[in-house]
Amino acid sequence: NAGVTQTPKFQVLKTGQSMTLQCAQDMNHNSMYWYRQDPGMGLRLIYYSASEGTTDKGEVPNGYNVSRLNKREFSLRLESAAPSQTSVYFCASGGSLSSETQYFGPGTRLLVL
Amino acid sequence: DQQVKQNSPSLSVQEGRISILNCDYTNSMFDYFLWYKKYPAEGPTFLISISSIKDKNEDGRFTVFLNKSAKHLSLHIVPSQPGDSAVYFCAASKLTGANNLFFGTGTRLTVIP
Repeated sequence: NAGVTQTPKFQVLKTGQSMTLQCAQDMNHNSMYWYRQDPGMGLRLIYYSASEGTTDKGEVPNGYNVSRLNKREFSLRLESAAPSQTSVYFCASGGSLSSETQYFGPGTRLLVL
Repeated sequence: DQQVKQNSPSLSVQEGRISILNCDYTNSMFDYFLWYKKYPAEGPTFLISISSIKDKNEDGRFTVFLNKSAKHLSLHIVPSQPGDSAVYFCAASKLTGANNLFFGTGTRLTVIP
């Protein structure tokens, strides 16, 4: 039982390049989430998927797209990376109810030059 | 606007003593509160939670207190151990709508042996 896995662990991009961050969970959770963590800002929600086939914007969605490929996988795509997207990205999964805990992956550290 | 606030960026305590981490929130719609612990280069891990219908929840050395009228919660760790040294995030979610977490900016706890 691996929980939530993310790939890659670290990536360096040049401004304007694109990339996809991958996330998978094996806990049979309905909901999945993408957060970014910046110094002094805590974690902020980028996009979430309440169930397979649905996605919605969070607090900071600009510059990102997501795909809920199936119940297990939720990817985050940067179409044209900008230095402001330098951050640590965390994927999480959890139940649909407010009382259900979210479980986080180990994170992807992204540096955009 | 930060809806969940942790006003102390850091806290140092002696091993064996009590650690008290504080969190304030502004949105009265929040009904579920969580504490996450984060080590460097790892994802946040769930520590303890509390529903708004309770004012206290205890799990071993960890106790969370909720004061709804003051929109304040605190995490008590007794006794503190060196392995507790980490960044602690307070998070909140709403009763209705998607199960999205709103995070504070974190408090770095250092337990001195």
